Amino acid sequence: DQQVKQNSPSLSVQEGRISILNCDYTNSMFDYFLWYKKYPAEGPTFLISISSIKDKNEDGRFTVFLNKSAKHLSLHIVPSQPGDSAVYFCAGLNSGGGADGLTFGKGTHLIIQP
Amino acid sequence: DGGITQSPKYLFRKEGQNVTLSCEQNLNHDAMYWYRQDPGQGLRLIYYSQIVNDFQKGDIAEGYSVSREKKESFPLTVTSAQKNPTAFYLCASSRRGGGGTGELFFGEGSRLTVL
Repeated sequence: DQQVKQNSPSLSVQEGRISILNCDYTNSMFDYFLWYKKYPAEGPTFLISISSIKDKNEDGRFTVFLNKSAKHLSLHIVPSQPGDSAVYFCAGLNSGGGADGLTFGKGTHLIIQP
Repeated sequence: DGGITQSPKYLFRKEGQNVTLSCEQNLNHDAMYWYRQDPGQGLRLIYYSQIVNDFQKGDIAEGYSVSREKKESFPLTVTSAQKNPTAFYLCASSRRGGGGTGELFFGEGSRLTVL
């Protein structure tokens, strides 16, 4: 049973436009959500996070929105740049639960076209 | 600089052989993790450890073994019992297991190919 779902395996966006990556979750116990960015043959790097008590968190070109009632979050990248081409993983954390770290989605491959 | 070092970056193994992947961190993190990445499968948890001399199975522990004799080190052995070992393996650590924002810091990964 997938607790974190990223239903779009890939997404193509024109340079300069907005990229919107979506993520759905089923575990109501998640109280933090994180986004990671991954280039081929490298480890993922942390991008941005949001607490479940907030509905928005912004860091430069990156904004994450959380809709708890819909169990849905999204990552917005504005404007999209060529270096943003990567795989993006959404992850949820139940900080009061088991100590097994984050639960990841399967990732979305973002392709920024010139 | 602080970080997580995985070695080797690329490794080839013949069927039936065990192989050990190294993971060392100098971030003074208590918790360490091993994930496996396959195309279209995301990151799947193999084993994790919250403290020295203690570790727990993740979602796909069969065919793998770990040890945590030192805080800085968390090696993963891929045994011959692992049916499909060819994958990209990622080691990670965090400040506190199960608490805080849960941010994981990842190593660069090790690509294992079974010939």
